[in-house]
Amino acid sequence: DAGVIQSPRHEVTEMGQEVTLRCKPISGHDYLFWYRQTMMRGLELLIYFNNNVPIDDSGMPEDRFSAKMPNASFSTLKIQPSEPRDSAVYFCASTPGGLQTGELFFGEGSRLTVL
Amino acid sequence: AQSVAQPEDQVNVAEGNPLTVKCTYSVSGNPYLFWYVQYPNRGLQFLLKYITGDNLVKGSYGFEAEFNKSQTSFHLKKPSALVSDSALYFCAVRESSSASKIIFGSGTRLSIRP
Repeated sequence: DAGVIQSPRHEVTEMGQEVTLRCKPISGHDYLFWYRQTMMRGLELLIYFNNNVPIDDSGMPEDRFSAKMPNASFSTLKIQPSEPRDSAVYFCASTPGGLQTGELFFGEGSRLTVL
Repeated sequence: AQSVAQPEDQVNVAEGNPLTVKCTYSVSGNPYLFWYVQYPNRGLQFLLKYITGDNLVKGSYGFEAEFNKSQTSFHLKKPSALVSDSALYFCAVRESSSASKIIFGSGTRLSIRP
């Protein structure tokens, strides 16, 4: 398997622009997580899905952030409008269900810079 | 709410010496505990986990961790450090009774000097 695939790897945009980050989880994994990593705040859980359904979005910073999972092989994280404080590395991770849950498989991340 | 703390931002060890990276946790109920490693410009990689059973768990690259329920700790250890172990290490916790919400600590940068 190719692992978790994220795109783009790097994104530089200007404040106010819409940003869409994409993730393809490992086939057969029931859970998908979006995390954000910054120097100041470390690794924050934004939202996670089980079988394409959002389970907990309490970590989403504000209404400018939204995430969808239209099918088992694709998820998006959208920021509209973007702000400089959104600059971070955004990670997507997936995992099978059951007792294996916790063995997260991470993508390489999308590094977002908002000018 | 569950939480996890890594009290050391950085740990410095000489190659060949034993290393310990500390982690304490707080959950209501039984914990599932994990260690991950992150190399520069990469995603996190799973190292090991404690679910139940033996308090000493062994993982990848010669790492092990000891679960201590009374001290609510799950410290990562290795008997002999390698320069290639230099990386950022994260402890993570999930409540066994909850859905699969997994929370990470702030990370500890491990630096192994030759």
